[in-house]
Amino acid sequence: DTGVSQNPRHKITKRGQNVTFRCDPISEHNRLYWYRQTLGQGPEFLTYFQNEAQLEKSRLLSDRFSAERPKGSFSTLEIQRTEQGDSAMYLCASSPGGQGQYFGPGTRLTVT
Amino acid sequence: GQQLNQSPQSMFIQEGEDVSMNCTSSSIFNTWLWYKQDPGEGPVLLIALYKAGELTSNGRLTAQFGITRKDSFLNISASIPSDVGIYFCAGRLTTDSWGKLQFGAGTQVVVTP
Repeated sequence: DTGVSQNPRHKITKRGQNVTFRCDPISEHNRLYWYRQTLGQGPEFLTYFQNEAQLEKSRLLSDRFSAERPKGSFSTLEIQRTEQGDSAMYLCASSPGGQGQYFGPGTRLTVT
Repeated sequence: GQQLNQSPQSMFIQEGEDVSMNCTSSSIFNTWLWYKQDPGEGPVLLIALYKAGELTSNGRLTAQFGITRKDSFLNISASIPSDVGIYFCAGRLTTDSWGKLQFGAGTQVVVTP
């Protein structure tokens, strides 16, 4: 059982640069979620995929953010023109349906 | 923003003691989940609850889905040092079609020998 994997685990970037994160869900899970977590808070929902279709996006997901899940397998989250306020832990979770969500280890983004 | 009120915010307990924490909301949920998160890692699912009144155990952990569907609690019995971490409640609103979770702000548990 490989679980949910995320790469990279840490990313330091300068303000204004673009970054891309990858999530590989548990293989039989058709639902994939992205969340963002800041220090001292619980995760906050960003977006949701069922197979390859992006079905919901949070208001937190500004137009600088884009996510894809080609072929319904792995997913990428891209942030363009990063800002210091984008510094956070970005978490990916997958689920086999209306059941519990299983999280990856996260990608810690620091924007300097 | 987060719709779940989780308490207490932190707990300092001695090894062997029991721990209780809870989550409340003004909204109705059809699923409650409890997670544990270690520093620098993602949350790990501990217990999932799907029916009002449901009481579920996982080893020394016991969680219940409140009858009103607006609350849940988690108990940890006979705490040990590896219970240290941040515990989060998460719920899925009955009005949500796609299953996204609302999270509490977490309960930090510190266990002293």
